[in-house]
Amino acid sequence: QTVVTQEPSFSVSPGGTVTLTCGLSSGSVSTSNNPSWYQQAPGQTPRTLIYNTNTRSSGVPDRFSGFILGNKAALTITGAQADDESDYHCVLYVGGGIWVFGGGTKLTVL
Amino acid sequence: QVQLVESRGGVVQPGGSLGLSCAASGFSFNSYAMHWVRQAPDKGLEWVAVLSYDGGHKYYAESVKGRFTISRDNSKNTLFLQMNSLRAEDTAVYYCARVPNQGIVTSPPTTWGRGTLVTVSS
Repeated sequence: QTVVTQEPSFSVSPGGTVTLTCGLSSGSVSTSNNPSWYQQAPGQTPRTLIYNTNTRSSGVPDRFSGFILGNKAALTITGAQADDESDYHCVLYVGGGIWVFGGGTKLTVL
Repeated sequence: QVQLVESRGGVVQPGGSLGLSCAASGFSFNSYAMHWVRQAPDKGLEWVAVLSYDGGHKYYAESVKGRFTISRDNSKNTLFLQMNSLRAEDTAVYYCARVPNQGIVTSPPTTWGRGTLVTVSS
C-alpha cells in the first residue's frame, strides 16, 4: 500500500520562509505524480494552492510555489503571514487511476 | 461562477446505505472528471474515488472498493456517490471536487464543494 509522507508539523516566523515536503514511502516523487497542495483552515473547506507540481491556482499569491525537491514534492511559502497558519495537505497520483493524500502538515506561524 | 453543492448527509446505522449527490453549475460539467474526497473528524483528507468526464472510467480507494459506487448524470449536471455496507470508519465530511482545465482522471481535485457530513453510528 502506497503511503504519502508529510511532516506532521512545522513552524515559521512571521516574514520567514518555510518549505513543506511530500514524499512516497517507496520511490521518488516526479511530475508524473501531479503533486498538488491544499491549505485548510480549521473548520473550512480545502483551498487549492498548487496543482500539477507548480501551477498556482487562481487567486493564490506568488508567495506560494511548488516544485520537485530531490525525491519529493515541495511547497515553499515565502514572507509567512499570520493567516498562513493552517493545515497543508498534498496529494499524489500513484497510477492506475489512484490518488493518495498525505497525512497533512500543521503549520504554525509564531 | 463554478459551484458544487453536495446533498445533505445524515446519520446511518452500520451496515446501512446512503446516497450523496453533487449538483454542479457554472461550467460544462460533461467535460470534466470529478472526484470524491472525505475527511474524518480531526483527520486528514482521504481520496475516495474519481470518475471520467463520460463516466467510462472510475477508480476507487481500496478502503471503499466494492462498497461505494461513483456515477454521474451529465444531462442533470450531477455527480453521485452510493455508499453501501457503511462502517463507523466511513464517518466523515464528504467533498465533491472538480479537476482543472477539462482534465481527466489523472488530474487532481482543484475546485471543491463545501462538503456534507455523513455519520455512521447506531
